[in-house]
Amino acid sequence: GQNIDQPTEMTATEGAIVQINCTYQTSGFNGLFWYQQHAGEAPTFLSYNVLDGLEEKGRFSSFLSRSKGYSYLLLKELQMKDSASYLCAVMDSNYQLIWGAGTKLIIKP
Amino acid sequence: GAVVSQHPSRVICKSGTSVKIECRSLDFQATTMFWYRQFPKKSLMLMATSNEGSKATYEQGVEKDKFLINHASLTLSTLTVTSAHPEDSSFYICSARALSPGLAGTEQYFGPGTRLTVT
Repeated sequence: GQNIDQPTEMTATEGAIVQINCTYQTSGFNGLFWYQQHAGEAPTFLSYNVLDGLEEKGRFSSFLSRSKGYSYLLLKELQMKDSASYLCAVMDSNYQLIWGAGTKLIIKP
Repeated sequence: GAVVSQHPSRVICKSGTSVKIECRSLDFQATTMFWYRQFPKKSLMLMATSNEGSKATYEQGVEKDKFLINHASLTLSTLTVTSAHPEDSSFYICSARALSPGLAGTEQYFGPGTRLTVT
């Protein structure tokens, strides 16, 4: 079966760095996505990785290792507004998104 | 950037009635639209995939006669929850994928969601 695993909840301090991990097992692979979702709102796109390596976009970076079925989202210089759920999703061979359950990130002052 | 709208953003209805939710791609043509539901503190659950001009493909366990999906044009898809019950109360989110599949992921845009409460 298809499976996406990520931690349920993480806590970090304002100004610090946090890494949210995601491991996956899917039928085929057409890219891995990270979305941010604030409570009561729809997800917003953060990043897309289809090749191995690190993609940096401002304070957020995303890493992918296809051989290990592993990705992480790295958030630097954390701000209170970064408190949200972070969803990992993999696009399978049918171009369907398979969603992880999301990681709730709590930022403390 | 691409914008997807949903209407209404919030709706309360009585048990047994039907509710229609609209999803529109405002500045691009969407060959495929997706309908998700999300329970509190849970991940997105894909309900169905709809392609313009053809019948929607429903995920296992989703009743197609209860959740009617129509994708009449390249910019509009509707989800109708028929004979709603309290257990249908949820956050319903649509997303739209643009015509060119080359940059698959960046072209799936989400609507703001519709919170349905059935009393």
